[in-house]
Amino acid sequence: QSALTQPPSVSGSPGQSVTISCTGTSSDVGYYNRVSWYQQPPGTAPKLMIYDVRNRPSGVPDRFSGSKSGNTASLTISGLQAEDEADYYCSSYISSSTLVFGGGTKLTVL
Amino acid sequence: EVQLVQSGPEVKKPGESLKISCKGSGYRFTTYWIGWVRQMPGKGLEWMGIIYPGDSETRYSPSFQGQVTISADKSITTAYLQWSSLKASDTAIYYCARHTGLDGIDYMDVWGIGTTVTVSS
Repeated sequence: QSALTQPPSVSGSPGQSVTISCTGTSSDVGYYNRVSWYQQPPGTAPKLMIYDVRNRPSGVPDRFSGSKSGNTASLTISGLQAEDEADYYCSSYISSSTLVFGGGTKLTVL
Repeated sequence: EVQLVQSGPEVKKPGESLKISCKGSGYRFTTYWIGWVRQMPGKGLEWMGIIYPGDSETRYSPSFQGQVTISADKSITTAYLQWSSLKASDTAIYYCARHTGLDGIDYMDVWGIGTTVTVSS
C-alpha cells in the first residue's frame, strides 16, 4: 500500500495556527474514521496526539485538533508554541487489519 | 503505569540473524495488539506489522511480509521482531507500539523508546 501524502514542511510564528494535511484514498482515509496523528520531536519516540480523526488522548492540549473531509484529514495546531516544533505523522487504518503512515511533516516554529 | 521496554542497541554484520524484544507491563498484555514500526536514518515512520499475544495471530504490511517475523511470549509479556539474514538496508530504529481502538488496531497509544539496529560489514 502507498504511504499517505503529507506536505514535507510547514511553519508558523508563535501564537499563530498551522494546519497539516494528510491525503489518502477512498479506501483508507476516505473510508474509515480511523485516522491518527503522532508528534515526534527530534531524537524521541512518537507520541499519540489525535485518534479516530478528532479525539485527543488525556494530557494532549486542546490546541491540537483533528478533522476530515473526503480523502483528506487535517491536524490543526492553534496558539503555536516553540515546544510544538517536531515532525508530525498521520496514520490510517486500511484493509486487512493493517495501518499505513503518511510521509511526515516537519513543523518549524519561527 | 503502562510501559513498553525495548532491548538495547545492536550492531550486526550482513547475513547475521537478530531478534529484538519489547516487554509490556502495567496492562493486560494478552488483550492488546502490539506491533513494530521502522524508522530508517533521516526518514519517516513505516508500519511493519502486529501480533495479538492472546493467540499469536499476526498481520504484516506487504512491504515487510516475508522479510521479518513477529512473535510473542505471553508468559513473559514480551513481543519480538526477528530477522534471519540482515542486510545493510535494515539499519534503522525499530519502535514497538501498543495498538488499540474499535477493532483493536486503529491507533498506537503507547510506544517504546526504540531499538537502534546497525548492520555494517
